[in-house]
Parts: sequence; structure tokens; C-alpha cells
Amino acid sequence: DIQMTQSPSSLSASVGDRVTITCRASQSISSYLNWYQQKPGKAPKLLIYAASSLQTGVPSRFSGSGSGTDFTLTISSLRPEDFATYYCQQTYTSPSITFGQGTRLEIK
Amino acid sequence: QVQLQESGPGLVKPSQTLSLTCTVSGGSISSIGYYWSWVRQLPGKGLEWIGYVYYSGSAYYSPSLKSRVAISIDTSQNQFSLRLSSVTAADTAVYYCARSASGTYGLKVDYWGQGTLVTVSS
Repeated sequence: DIQMTQSPSSLSASVGDRVTITCRASQSISSYLNWYQQKPGKAPKLLIYAASSLQTGVPSRFSGSGSGTDFTLTISSLRPEDFATYYCQQTYTSPSITFGQGTRLEIK
Repeated sequence: QVQLQESGPGLVKPSQTLSLTCTVSGGSISSIGYYWSWVRQLPGKGLEWIGYVYYSGSAYYSPSLKSRVAISIDTSQNQFSLRLSSVTAADTAVYYCARSASGTYGLKVDYWGQGTLVTVSS
């Protein structure tokens, strides 16, 4: 299985901050990388697909970059509704699909 | 707007089979390019991919669960189902059904059900 490692595991930030979350794959996955946001008690929500494509309806303050093994999710200016847990997901080896362990973004 | 809704028992005994159904509304389960998926989340933990099925009936499973999982589809009812056999307490989780769209760089899960908690306990 391809292992997906996110860093940091948790992060404290303030409204208005610029935040970057990193996801590293244990082997190259090209651009087969998605990002999701999950709030407590809710299903995940797709933010970014194919490493850098913004899902329809997602605010432009979210952006993704990277290819191969190293990827980043950036929130340019945090809003209160962005405090949540974020997951990366690789689909390169479908059906053996794996998620990162998650990054919890908390209010400072 | 596609909507998905899980249904099934919230409590399953150890060694028995967990069975869940997902009803899709607002779109056809027979649409080309979409894979109907199951994902679970253990309590307080991250997400785990279970598998997916295409409208043709072809199903694909995560290797870690493959020996115990079966996913099927009923296009006449616009539903798909999950069966997980020989369950233990380690299978206690929130189970999500979801729609995965196929693209140039693999699948993306663009619609999710609300999730249903299944507890394995005697």
C-alpha cells in the first residue's frame, strides 16, 4: 500500500492567517491526489482534486499544489468556518486507495 | 443535486455480517463515469476506503478488507449495498456511502451520504 503522511498532525492558527498543510506519498503518485475537509459529525467535503484543481463551489482561498510525492494544501486567509480536519487521499493505486491520517486545524 | 442515504442496522453481533444499503436520489446510479463507493471512519480516527462498484456490477475492494467485503448494485432501485462478513469490534465505525467521479487523475469523491454508525457488540 502507498502510505500518505500529513504534517503537521495538528495546527493552531488565527483568522486571517495563511496556512499550509503538507502530504507526502511513500512513492510517486503523479497528480492522483485529492484534499477533503471534514467538520465534526459531518461527512468529508471535496476541496481539491487532481492535486491542484478546485472543486466547483469551493472558495478560491483554497489551493493545492505538487506532484510525484510531495503535495500542499494552502488556505490563503483563514475564515472561522475553515477550522476543521483536512485529509489528503491518493487514488493512484485504485482500488487500493489510501488517506492521510488527517490534520486538525484549530483556532489559536 | 445528488443525494445519498445509508440505511441498515446500527448494531451487529460479533462474527455476523454487517449489511448496509445506500439509496441514491437526484441522479441515476447507471450514469457512466461514476463509481459508487463505501468509506468508513473508526471512532475518533481517520478515513478508510472500503471499495466501489460500477453500474455494470463490477466491484473493486481495498486489499485489506477484500476477503470479507462484497459490494453490489441494484440499478432498478437506484441503490447499492455493502456486506462485511465476520465482523469484530474493530469494525465499529461510521460507514459512508459516496459517489466517486472518474477523471484524468483518478477518482474524486464528490458526493457523500451523511454516514451511519454501526456498532459491533454482543
